[in-house]
Parts: sequence; structure tokens; C-alpha cells
Amino acid sequence: QQPVQSPQAVILREGEDAVINCSSSKALYSVHWYRQKHGEAPVFLMILLKGGEQKGHEKISASFNEKKQQSSLYLTASQLSYSGTYFCGTAGQAGTALIFGKGTTLSVSS
Amino acid sequence: NAGVTQTPKFQVLKTGQSMTLQCAQDMNHNSMYWYRQDPGMGLRLIYYSASEGTTDKGEVPNGYNVSRLNKREFSLRLESAAPSQTSVYFCASRTGGSGANVLTFGAGSRLTVL
Repeated sequence: QQPVQSPQAVILREGEDAVINCSSSKALYSVHWYRQKHGEAPVFLMILLKGGEQKGHEKISASFNEKKQQSSLYLTASQLSYSGTYFCGTAGQAGTALIFGKGTTLSVSS
Repeated sequence: NAGVTQTPKFQVLKTGQSMTLQCAQDMNHNSMYWYRQDPGMGLRLIYYSASEGTTDKGEVPNGYNVSRLNKREFSLRLESAAPSQTSVYFCASRTGGSGANVLTFGAGSRLTVL
């Protein structure tokens, strides 16, 4: 069953912050976040594992609440390059195939 | 390094025709996947192969078949194409097993069925 992402779309100006949420009805082992630019393949951003710590990379970080089966992606001080569609992918057990949400489209303007 | 290579990049078919999408990876990954992407639907898993010699159905397997030819190659076949199979198809691979292994995607194959 696909995880549910919210919101569906976000419009920001440079420097503003955004949060993208991902929730599942099933217990999760891992949550992956990917970003896809128009006409390109999805690219890995970060992974959160059950029992792991919050991950971060420069101004993009993520959290994973195992009990609530939810993850959130935090984008701070957004840049034009952050524009794209963000997907969360979830796995219920180690090594199982990722099931992706429908995506959140982020548009950053100057 | 090529990573994951998909062929063809574009294809137009008529309803009822058959075709095979090819995927090859040069990263010595164990697991390979086929996803389709449609507007507003995200990436949906069609079939996957956790390791050489095994294949399993994903979320939307109807109308497709797959072959894990060897460790490097994983093909997706449409036996009788339908307009509903118009989509962008992505092949992906990863090391497999437990741990923080991530998916590497191919560039995609855009298929139109008339």
C-alpha cells in the first residue's frame, strides 16, 4: 500500500522553509527520500532506518517516527535548485522493495 | 561508470503489439526493480528481482512479464500493449539485503501505446 504524502504541492520563495510529510498504515523498517527534476530520474537524498537517528545534509534533514509510522523531510532556507518532486519510499522489512508515495511537487521562485 | 542503462529511451507502439524494455546495471547490485510513473500516481512497482534467479510481483504486475537474464540484466516485457500502459518506465537497482542501501535509477523509457 502506497504511503501517503502531504502536501501534494508547495510553492515557496527563495529562503523560505518547507516540510513534507510521509505516513504509512504499516510498520516501517526504513524510509527513503528521493528528488526528481522534470524529465530526469529520481535521485537519492537520504535514508532513515528503524532505530536510527535523524539524518541531515546541509539544509535538508529528515526525521522518522517509528511508532507513528511517519517521516518528515525538512527543507530550510530553500534555494532554486530545491525545485522538483519529492518522493518518499518505504519498506516494511530489511531488503524488501520500496513502495513510493505519489510525490510532493516543490516550486521555488526568486 | 554507466550505472543503470535502459533501452530504448522512447517507443511508440500500437495496441496489441509486444515489446521488451531492457535494463542493465554495472554496479554488481543484487536487486533490480521496474517502476512505472504516471502523472499524479508517483512511482509504482511493477516487478522486482531480489537476487539473480528470483522475481516477484509488485503493486501493478498485470500485463507485464519480467526476466532476470543474469546478475546485470533485468528485462520487462509487454506481450500485448494497451493504451493504459502508456507511461514512463524506470529500472532501478541496489545492493540488496539489510542496511542503508539505496536505489540507483536508470534514465527512464517513455512508452506510448496508441
